[in-house]
Amino acid sequence: ETGVTQTPRHLVMGMTNKKSLKCEQHLGHNAMYWYKQSAKKPLELMFVYSLEERVENNSVPSRFSPECPNSSHLFLHLHTLQPEDSALYLCASSQGLAETQYFGPGTRLLVL
Amino acid sequence: RKEVEQDPGPFNVPEGATVAFNCTYSNSASQSFFWYRQDCRKEPKLLMSVYSSGNEDGRFTAQLNRASQYISLLIRDSKLSDSATYLCVVNTGRDDKIIFGKGTRLHILP
Repeated sequence: ETGVTQTPRHLVMGMTNKKSLKCEQHLGHNAMYWYKQSAKKPLELMFVYSLEERVENNSVPSRFSPECPNSSHLFLHLHTLQPEDSALYLCASSQGLAETQYFGPGTRLLVL
Repeated sequence: RKEVEQDPGPFNVPEGATVAFNCTYSNSASQSFFWYRQDCRKEPKLLMSVYSSGNEDGRFTAQLNRASQYISLLIRDSKLSDSATYLCVVNTGRDDKIIFGKGTRLHILP
């Protein structure tokens, strides 16, 4: 159904763990995004990649590290997270910047 | 003034009624506009783009008012399945920056 997939769908990690979120788009798009959605808060844009180059980084703490090895894949590497980082992390892609975005199902992250 | 503002609701509307909500934006240079729908614990999905001339898709009508800097979404003959959060999305025109509103929660009551 969706052209954007994310794994894992759920993740529980301790504050000292290192984990990675993966996003893959099958739509031939050139731009990919990471968003954070906390309870009762709007979507927060974290990172934007266009043609595999980072074009925006919205003052995200360094414990979040994105990687875009090619136009179809986007990773978010996590290390030494805090409990307040618990949220839904959504990946999206679009043909070009600021065009219609298509979202993946998200990874629901819980940091203990 | 926030870049994109929406009434968070919730709007509690009886089934079959018509409901409308607006979204205001601050940057007059904003170029493109969208409505997304997000169901509880799901990802946002595009509902419709908003064109200068307005557009209609079945029971849904979206309009743009550039003079007053707002877009609107009208839902006619509302269904229980319309219950969701509706997100307003604006391309601010600065560096192709897209801003999501906080969303308006809609509850359709049987």
